[in-house]
Amino acid sequence: SQQGEEDPQALSIQEGENATMNCSYKTSINNLQWYRQNSGRGLVHLILIRSNEREKHSGRLRVTLDTSKKSSSLLITASRAADTASYFCATDPREYGNKLVFGAGTILRVKS
Amino acid sequence: DGGITQSPKYLFRKEGQNVTLSCEQNLNHDAMYWYRQDPGQGLRLIYYSQIVNDFQKGDIAEGYSVSREKKESFPLTVTSAQKNPTAFYLCASSIGMLGNTEAFFGQGTRLTVV
Repeated sequence: SQQGEEDPQALSIQEGENATMNCSYKTSINNLQWYRQNSGRGLVHLILIRSNEREKHSGRLRVTLDTSKKSSSLLITASRAADTASYFCATDPREYGNKLVFGAGTILRVKS
Repeated sequence: DGGITQSPKYLFRKEGQNVTLSCEQNLNHDAMYWYRQDPGQGLRLIYYSQIVNDFQKGDIAEGYSVSREKKESFPLTVTSAQKNPTAFYLCASSIGMLGNTEAFFGQGTRLTVV
């Protein structure tokens, strides 16, 4: 079953703008991860945030986690055309064992 | 360079045929996974293996089979029992079980039934 749901499904912005993607999930988790997928390629890990963390940064990426609302957000600042990709959140629900459940993703298009 | 290699990149299958997708990793990871990705959907887990000679069914294992005879290799066979095999297949590996660690993905195999 699909645990995480990303919002919006698609996002189109101009280069230099910030992009925010949201992920909501249904059950308690241990950790939440974000991945990027370029068209027709494999996924690349971006960041892992643990359930006891509220915010994490990596370069131009900022991830927040609100376990009370069962939601996470991924912010990409000063976007570039190369950021054009699909972005997925993945959770490991506590009742599911140590396996990841992926959402359907947000398609980000950055126009130059 | 360390990584995961999937082959072939594109594969065409006739109705009633079994095909095998290759996945090799040189990251010395214990855990390996197979996911299926359909358009507009997230990844769904087919099979996973935590250690050599052991593997477990994921959410959509029907019509698929795997083996884990070597740590480096985790081939996936799509059998004729899989009624809708056209999809993008992704192999991944991790140091430990996922959730606590990141997954490293191959570049995928796109399987089409002709």
